[in-house]
Amino acid sequence: EDQVTQSPEALRLQEGESSSLNCSYTVSGLRGLFWYRQDPGKGPEFLFTLYSAGEEKEKERLKATLTKKESFLHITAPKPEDSATYLCAVDFGNEKLTFGTGTRLTIIP
Amino acid sequence: DAGVTQSPTHLIKTRGQQVTLRCSPISGHKSVSWYQQVLGQGPQFIFQYYEKEERGRGNFPDRFSARQFPNYSSELNVNALLLGDSALYLCASTGPYEQYFGPGTRLTVT
Repeated sequence: EDQVTQSPEALRLQEGESSSLNCSYTVSGLRGLFWYRQDPGKGPEFLFTLYSAGEEKEKERLKATLTKKESFLHITAPKPEDSATYLCAVDFGNEKLTFGTGTRLTIIP
Repeated sequence: DAGVTQSPTHLIKTRGQQVTLRCSPISGHKSVSWYQQVLGQGPQFIFQYYEKEERGRGNFPDRFSARQFPNYSSELNVNALLLGDSALYLCASTGPYEQYFGPGTRLTVT
């Protein structure tokens, strides 16, 4: 069964303290990997799509990378407004997104 | 451009009742997907529709059904509601490369 696993479940950082979130997946014909940000009670906000190993995408303080079996979301010098749950989802080529359970990120001022 | 819209925002129903949720995709998008998100979990795929045809169905009981209209808007219907159906229901509009989500409908079953 196709699976997506995110770690850690929760992460608390001081403002300005850089770190990385991990998303690993079962290797079975990945068609695309997606990162979303979700604020409490709201719908996921699209951040990045990655398609092939070695690909990287950047947006402000966020950078997403992809290998053959995992993806990392690097956050550089985070600010309190970066606090949210970050979701990883994989399109295994079966007309749906399979999501991980997310990483709840808290940035402390 | 308007994003994905969903209605209603919140809904409270009693066990055994039926509910209909509505979604309008981004203009020009022909595919809509529905997801259920229980608190603390990632979204779970329910259905995908493209050009009014069902393209995919997740592991949900037959109490869940959906349809897509000629203007590409969609409805998700849930019959015989259970307490476990309480969740955030998300609609996603599929573009060429990614899915954009709406704000969701928060359904509470009492």
